[in-house]
Amino acid sequence: DADVTQTPRNRITKTGKRIMLECSQTKGHDRMYWYRQDPGLGLRLIYYSFDVKDINKGEISDGYSVSRQAQAKFSLSLESAIPNQTALYFCATSVSGSGNTEAFFGQGTRLTVV
Amino acid sequence: DAKTTQPPSMDCAEGRAANLPCNHSTISGNEYVYWYRQIHSQGPQYIIHGLKNNETNEMASLIITEDRKSSTLILPHATLRDTAVYYCIVRPLLNQAGTALIFGKGTTLSVSS
Repeated sequence: DADVTQTPRNRITKTGKRIMLECSQTKGHDRMYWYRQDPGLGLRLIYYSFDVKDINKGEISDGYSVSRQAQAKFSLSLESAIPNQTALYFCATSVSGSGNTEAFFGQGTRLTVV
Repeated sequence: DAKTTQPPSMDCAEGRAANLPCNHSTISGNEYVYWYRQIHSQGPQYIIHGLKNNETNEMASLIITEDRKSSTLILPHATLRDTAVYYCIVRPLLNQAGTALIFGKGTTLSVSS
């Protein structure tokens, strides 16, 4: 089983619908992140959480919200999906500590808003 | 804005060394240099990181210039499976806001036989 699991892997939804993307991890890491990737572009940070009670906006948080239900779970919601939110979404985790800690990524959720 | 500059694409022949450059002229004294790669549309994968000294692991070597303003990732014997987008990332200071990884557009490395 993957250390960082994203569900669903693929989703097609209609404009205006609410949708939730889920991420769970078995690595015991305290830090979790949501990124989106558009074709030909690098990953852009949406939200990140350094522990259950700590939620921070990334560079493109508008139109998104998150919930850190437990240390192992971090969900991303699109309250009212719009077509330009069509993208590949990645969840990642890392552990706090010294600066030399790597991040582990899930396999991604491909979201299409029609 | 990304704090690094990388060439958009590079080619390499299979079996040869791939040398991927990265400029990070505004790097701060205790910021690390990280390298990740993304194969097709999979989740990015950690490769290596360094602060000042050159580093080597089973995947690659990282050469950081003495002034720390640039670095080179070396894949000593590139294979077709190394075809990917390679991201050079400067990691912000620990325990300050924004210590998440910030990705630029990376370098697309194409390895051919």
